[in-house]
Amino acid sequence: GAVVSQHPSRVICKSGTSVKIECRSLDFQATTMFWYRQFPKQSLMLMATSNEGSKATYEQGVEKDKFLINHASLTLSTLTVTSAHPEDSSFYICSARVTGITDTQYFGPGTRLTVL
Amino acid sequence: SQQGEEDPQALSIQEGENATMNCSYKTSINNLQWYRQNSGRGLVHLILIRSNEREKHSGRLRVTLDTSKKSSSLLITASRAADTASYFCATDLISNFGNEKLTFGTGTRLTIIP
Repeated sequence: GAVVSQHPSRVICKSGTSVKIECRSLDFQATTMFWYRQFPKQSLMLMATSNEGSKATYEQGVEKDKFLINHASLTLSTLTVTSAHPEDSSFYICSARVTGITDTQYFGPGTRLTVL
Repeated sequence: SQQGEEDPQALSIQEGENATMNCSYKTSINNLQWYRQNSGRGLVHLILIRSNEREKHSGRLRVTLDTSKKSSSLLITASRAADTASYFCATDLISNFGNEKLTFGTGTRLTIIP
């Protein structure tokens, strides 16, 4: 089956620093990748949709300058949390759609971000 | 805002019993999917039901969809301790930007008591 990886799985950083999270589709090409965040014991909230070679589409209320998304290739999307603050601490999960099969999304294992 | 509301929020049952979770949504959909998430982990896709389908089975899972009521249910039969997890429904619809996107429900935390 299709596998999506995320790196790192956990990261702890100081306030004001930037953190980059990678999302890779390991055995398939993903035209579209999605980034979600999840607070403890809550559901996943879509942050943005990332299409290869174009600008990401952000959901309402998500600051595009704070959460920089780059989808440089068909197998890699990155999310950079800039000038992180403690309120950015969360579980970030990416997913990828199999190119040509629009109703199948595969999720990464998530990245736990803790901002001190 | 959440597209889907799930109930119950939490459910504890004895191993071997059946577990039923419900999901309601607000807008027209292309399909509805159910996912499982173990604590602190990523999501595992369980089953997808299209808007023109009413029922679907996969192993011990049975999903129903009632588009007139905008609701779905997930039934897990003969539950096992390993089924302990959070279960989310997700609706697939076209966003305002023309992209297809999944919108997740609030989730049901299922605990199977050995």
